Amino acid sequence: DIQMTQSPPSLSASLGDKVTITCQASQNINKYIAWYQQKPGKAPGLLIHYTSTLVSGIPSRFSGSGSGRDYSFSISNVESEDIASYYCLQYDNSPWTFGGGTKLELK
Amino acid sequence: EVQLVESGGGLVKPGASLKLSCVASGFTFSDYWMSWVRQTPGKTMEWIGDIKYDGSYTNYAPSLKNRFTISRDNAKSTLYLQMSNVRSEDTATYYCTRVVYVMDAWGQGASVTVSS
Repeated sequence: DIQMTQSPPSLSASLGDKVTITCQASQNINKYIAWYQQKPGKAPGLLIHYTSTLVSGIPSRFSGSGSGRDYSFSISNVESEDIASYYCLQYDNSPWTFGGGTKLELK
Repeated sequence: EVQLVESGGGLVKPGASLKLSCVASGFTFSDYWMSWVRQTPGKTMEWIGDIKYDGSYTNYAPSLKNRFTISRDNAKSTLYLQMSNVRSEDTATYYCTRVVYVMDAWGQGASVTVSS
Protein backbone atom coordinates (compact mmCIF):
# COMPACT_ATOMS: atom_id res chain seq x y z
CA ASP A 1 0.00 0.00 0.00
CA ILE A 2 1.14 3.58 -0.63
CA GLN A 3 1.66 5.47 2.61
CA MET A 4 0.66 9.14 2.71
CA THR A 5 2.53 11.18 5.31
CA GLN A 6 0.59 14.37 5.96
CA SER A 7 1.93 17.27 7.99
CA PRO A 8 1.43 19.06 10.19
CA PRO A 9 -1.21 17.20 12.21
CA SER A 10 -2.50 20.52 13.45
CA LEU A 11 -2.12 24.11 12.44
CA SER A 12 -3.01 27.36 14.12
CA ALA A 13 -3.65 30.40 11.92
CA SER A 14 -5.02 33.91 12.11
CA LEU A 15 -7.68 35.19 9.75
CA GLY A 16 -6.00 36.35 6.55
CA ASP A 17 -2.97 34.07 6.93
CA LYS A 18 -1.69 31.71 4.28
CA VAL A 19 -1.34 28.12 5.44
CA THR A 20 0.23 25.13 3.72
CA ILE A 21 -0.25 21.43 4.31
CA THR A 22 2.00 18.81 2.77
CA CYS A 23 1.59 15.17 1.86
CA GLN A 24 4.44 12.91 0.93
CA ALA A 25 3.69 9.60 -0.73
CA SER A 26 5.84 6.52 -0.21
CA GLN A 27 6.18 6.30 -4.00
CA ASN A 28 5.43 8.35 -7.10
CA ILE A 29 1.66 8.88 -7.38
CA ASN A 30 1.72 10.65 -10.74
CA LYS A 31 -0.23 13.67 -9.49
CA TYR A 32 -3.24 11.55 -8.51
CA ILE A 33 -3.85 13.31 -5.24
CA ALA A 34 -7.03 14.91 -3.97
CA TRP A 35 -7.71 17.14 -1.00
CA TYR A 36 -10.81 17.05 1.20
CA GLN A 37 -12.21 19.38 3.83
CA GLN A 38 -14.17 18.00 6.77
CA LYS A 39 -16.03 20.14 9.26
CA PRO A 40 -17.05 18.70 12.65
CA GLY A 41 -19.93 16.26 12.39
CA LYS A 42 -19.99 16.42 8.60
CA ALA A 43 -18.81 14.25 5.75
CA PRO A 44 -15.65 15.21 3.87
CA GLY A 45 -16.08 17.44 0.84
CA LEU A 46 -13.84 17.35 -2.24
CA LEU A 47 -11.87 20.55 -2.84
CA ILE A 48 -9.12 19.63 -5.30
CA HIS A 49 -8.31 16.64 -7.48
CA TYR A 50 -5.41 15.71 -9.77
CA THR A 51 -3.06 17.81 -7.65
CA SER A 52 -4.36 21.24 -8.59
CA THR A 53 -7.79 21.05 -10.26
CA LEU A 54 -10.25 23.01 -8.17
CA VAL A 55 -13.75 21.61 -7.89
CA SER A 56 -16.43 23.87 -9.30
CA GLY A 57 -17.62 26.37 -6.71
CA ILE A 58 -14.56 26.10 -4.48
CA PRO A 59 -12.98 29.51 -3.80
CA SER A 60 -9.71 30.29 -5.53
CA ARG A 61 -7.97 30.86 -2.21
CA PHE A 62 -7.59 27.08 -2.13
CA SER A 63 -4.79 25.66 -4.26
CA GLY A 64 -2.67 22.57 -4.71
CA SER A 65 0.65 21.73 -6.29
CA GLY A 66 3.30 19.06 -6.48
CA SER A 67 4.59 16.11 -8.41
CA GLY A 68 6.23 12.76 -7.92
CA ARG A 69 6.03 11.97 -4.21
CA ASP A 70 5.63 15.48 -2.78
CA TYR A 71 2.44 17.55 -2.76
CA SER A 72 1.13 20.61 -1.00
CA PHE A 73 -2.21 22.26 -0.36
CA SER A 74 -2.56 25.92 0.53
CA ILE A 75 -5.22 28.28 1.74
CA SER A 76 -4.43 31.92 1.19
CA ASN A 77 -6.30 34.51 3.24
CA VAL A 78 -7.75 32.03 5.74
CA GLU A 79 -11.37 32.74 6.56
CA SER A 80 -13.37 31.59 9.56
CA GLU A 81 -15.34 29.13 7.40
CA ASP A 82 -12.06 27.36 6.55
CA ILE A 83 -11.67 26.08 10.10
CA ALA A 84 -11.87 22.34 9.55
CA SER A 85 -9.76 19.24 9.10
CA TYR A 86 -8.11 18.54 5.78
CA TYR A 87 -7.12 15.20 4.28
CA CYS A 88 -5.10 14.19 1.26
CA LEU A 89 -5.96 11.07 -0.72
CA GLN A 90 -3.85 9.23 -3.27
CA TYR A 91 -5.84 7.50 -5.98
CA ASP A 92 -3.02 6.40 -8.24
CA ASN A 93 -2.84 2.88 -6.89
CA SER A 94 -5.31 0.59 -5.18
CA PRO A 95 -5.91 0.54 -2.29
CA TRP A 96 -6.49 4.28 -2.26
CA THR A 97 -4.98 5.74 0.90
CA PHE A 98 -5.46 8.87 2.96
CA GLY A 99 -3.10 11.07 4.87
CA GLY A 100 -3.56 11.33 8.60
CA GLY A 101 -5.29 14.69 8.42
CA THR A 102 -4.54 18.25 9.48
CA LYS A 103 -6.74 20.13 11.90
CA LEU A 104 -6.79 23.85 11.18
CA GLU A 105 -7.63 26.05 14.13
CA LEU A 106 -7.86 29.77 14.70
CA LYS A 107 -5.04 31.38 16.62
CA GLU B 1 -28.84 17.61 -6.03
CA VAL B 2 -26.74 14.53 -5.38
CA GLN B 3 -27.84 12.76 -2.23
CA LEU B 4 -26.44 9.65 -0.59
CA VAL B 5 -28.19 8.39 2.52
CA GLU B 6 -26.70 5.55 4.54
CA SER B 7 -28.60 3.38 6.98
CA GLY B 8 -28.19 0.18 8.93
CA GLY B 9 -25.57 1.25 11.44
CA GLY B 10 -25.75 0.64 15.17
CA LEU B 11 -24.34 -1.40 18.01
CA VAL B 12 -23.23 -4.90 17.06
CA LYS B 13 -21.44 -7.64 19.00
CA PRO B 14 -18.01 -8.94 18.00
CA GLY B 15 -18.29 -11.78 15.50
CA ALA B 16 -21.68 -10.69 14.23
CA SER B 17 -22.67 -9.52 10.76
CA LEU B 18 -24.14 -6.23 9.65
CA LYS B 19 -25.33 -4.86 6.34
CA LEU B 20 -25.24 -1.16 5.54
CA SER B 21 -27.33 0.39 2.78
CA CYS B 22 -26.93 3.62 0.86
CA VAL B 23 -29.77 5.04 -1.21
CA ALA B 24 -28.69 7.41 -3.97
CA SER B 25 -30.69 10.17 -5.64
CA GLY B 26 -30.09 13.20 -7.83
CA PHE B 27 -28.02 11.33 -10.41
CA THR B 28 -28.20 8.23 -12.58
CA PHE B 29 -26.88 5.68 -10.09
CA SER B 30 -26.23 2.99 -12.69
CA ASP B 31 -23.74 5.25 -14.51
CA TYR B 32 -21.28 5.54 -11.64
CA TRP B 33 -18.74 3.54 -9.75
CA MET B 34 -19.41 3.72 -6.03
CA SER B 35 -17.27 3.12 -2.97
CA TRP B 36 -17.26 2.83 0.80
CA VAL B 37 -14.90 4.70 3.12
CA ARG B 38 -14.74 4.54 6.89
CA GLN B 39 -13.48 6.92 9.54
CA THR B 40 -12.44 5.68 12.94
CA PRO B 41 -13.18 7.52 16.19
CA GLY B 42 -9.56 8.69 16.05
CA LYS B 43 -10.39 10.27 12.66
CA THR B 44 -8.29 7.92 10.55
CA MET B 45 -9.79 7.56 7.07
CA GLU B 46 -9.73 4.18 5.33
CA TRP B 47 -10.88 3.29 1.82
CA ILE B 48 -12.82 0.01 1.98
CA GLY B 49 -13.42 -0.71 -1.69
CA ASP B 50 -15.43 0.09 -4.75
CA ILE B 51 -17.82 -1.40 -7.27
CA LYS B 52 -18.22 -0.89 -10.99
CA TYR B 53 -21.35 0.85 -12.27
CA ASP B 54 -22.93 -2.44 -13.40
CA GLY B 55 -21.83 -4.43 -10.37
CA SER B 56 -19.60 -6.71 -12.44
CA TYR B 57 -16.35 -5.80 -10.65
CA THR B 58 -15.38 -5.07 -7.11
CA ASN B 59 -12.09 -4.06 -5.56
CA TYR B 60 -11.23 -4.09 -1.87
CA ALA B 61 -8.58 -3.00 0.55
CA PRO B 62 -6.59 -6.21 1.08
CA SER B 63 -6.99 -6.05 4.85
CA LEU B 64 -10.80 -6.14 4.54
CA LYS B 65 -11.58 -8.22 1.46
CA ASN B 66 -12.16 -11.45 3.37
CA ARG B 67 -14.84 -9.95 5.64
CA PHE B 68 -16.46 -7.12 3.69
CA THR B 69 -18.57 -7.38 0.52
CA ILE B 70 -19.80 -4.51 -1.60
CA SER B 71 -22.82 -4.95 -3.83
CA ARG B 72 -25.44 -2.81 -5.52
CA ASP B 73 -28.99 -2.90 -6.84
CA ASN B 74 -29.25 -0.42 -9.68
CA ALA B 75 -33.00 -0.84 -9.90
CA LYS B 76 -33.24 0.47 -6.36
CA SER B 77 -30.34 2.96 -6.68
CA THR B 78 -28.89 1.33 -3.60
CA LEU B 79 -25.35 0.43 -2.58
CA TYR B 80 -24.63 -2.15 0.11
CA LEU B 81 -21.81 -3.08 2.43
CA GLN B 82 -22.01 -6.50 4.03
CA MET B 83 -19.74 -6.77 7.04
CA SER B 84 -19.07 -10.15 8.61
CA ASN B 85 -17.22 -11.34 11.71
CA VAL B 86 -16.94 -7.75 12.89
CA ARG B 87 -14.23 -6.73 15.34
CA SER B 88 -13.81 -3.83 17.74
CA GLU B 89 -11.49 -2.16 15.22
CA ASP B 90 -14.40 -1.98 12.76
CA THR B 91 -15.98 0.67 15.00
CA ALA B 92 -16.23 3.66 12.70
CA THR B 93 -18.45 5.93 10.69
CA TYR B 94 -19.06 4.38 7.29
CA TYR B 95 -19.50 6.63 4.28
CA CYS B 96 -20.97 5.79 0.92
CA THR B 97 -19.37 7.76 -1.90
CA ARG B 98 -19.83 8.33 -5.59
CA VAL B 99 -16.71 7.96 -7.71
CA VAL B 100 -15.89 10.29 -10.58
CA TYR B 101 -12.14 9.68 -10.96
CA VAL B 102 -12.09 10.28 -7.22
CA MET B 103 -14.72 10.23 -4.49
CA ASP B 104 -16.68 13.37 -5.31
CA ALA B 105 -19.85 13.02 -3.27
CA TRP B 106 -20.32 11.53 0.20
CA GLY B 107 -23.25 10.49 2.32
CA GLN B 108 -23.68 11.72 5.87
CA GLY B 109 -22.31 8.46 7.25
CA ALA B 110 -23.59 5.52 9.28
CA SER B 111 -22.11 4.91 12.71
CA VAL B 112 -21.14 1.35 13.60
CA THR B 113 -20.02 0.41 17.10
CA VAL B 114 -18.68 -3.07 17.76
CA SER B 115 -18.87 -3.94 21.43
CA SER B 116 -20.01 -6.76 23.66
